[in-house]
Amino acid sequence: AQSVSQHNHHVILSEAASLELGCNYSYGGTVNLFWYVQYPGQHLQLLLKYFSGDPLVKGIKGFEAEFIKSKFSFNLRKPSVQWSDTAEYFCAVKASGTYKYIFGTGTRLKVLA
Amino acid sequence: EAQVTQNPRYLITVTGKKLTVTCSQNMNHEYMSWYRQDPGLGLRQIYYSMNVEVTDKGDVPEGYKVSRKEKRNFPLILESPSPNQTSLYFCASSLTWQETQYFGPGTRLLVL
Repeated sequence: AQSVSQHNHHVILSEAASLELGCNYSYGGTVNLFWYVQYPGQHLQLLLKYFSGDPLVKGIKGFEAEFIKSKFSFNLRKPSVQWSDTAEYFCAVKASGTYKYIFGTGTRLKVLA
Repeated sequence: EAQVTQNPRYLITVTGKKLTVTCSQNMNHEYMSWYRQDPGLGLRQIYYSMNVEVTDKGDVPEGYKVSRKEKRNFPLILESPSPNQTSLYFCASSLTWQETQYFGPGTRLLVL
């Protein structure tokens, strides 16, 4: 069965620190990959997605993610976090040819001002 | 304004009392989906619908029903709620199953 692992459950950073959140999935075929963010009290919203092409994907608010097929990974990065990036981040995978989405357990990021 | 709406936003009920959580989107999206969010478990897909009258189970369908009689609506039905269905529920929709999902504001359900 497909699964998505986010190994960092809680991350605390100071403003201007660099961020990398890990996401690994288990599925041998073609996948579509997503990162969603949930700010406190708000809806989930899409940060970025990868369907095909350049494995380095740029999203909103300065976030980017790199798809490394050989490592089954889609890690999220930001060079310099801000206090407003405090949120919960979810990685999600959809296997090509299926209609089901599998989400990771989420990473709570707290950025200290 | 393009949006996904859910009602009610908060609900407290008792074991066994049937309830329905409505979900509606005004974007003419084909794909709709229900998720539950639980601490430490992230979001888990309950049911999804590829289009009108086409639905299928997600990862945690037990204890839930859905219907898709109209394109804009995708209600989630709990025929006999139990305490383990206490959760935060999200509805989402996308133009097609390949496109970005837009999430509703969530429904917080407490089953006593």
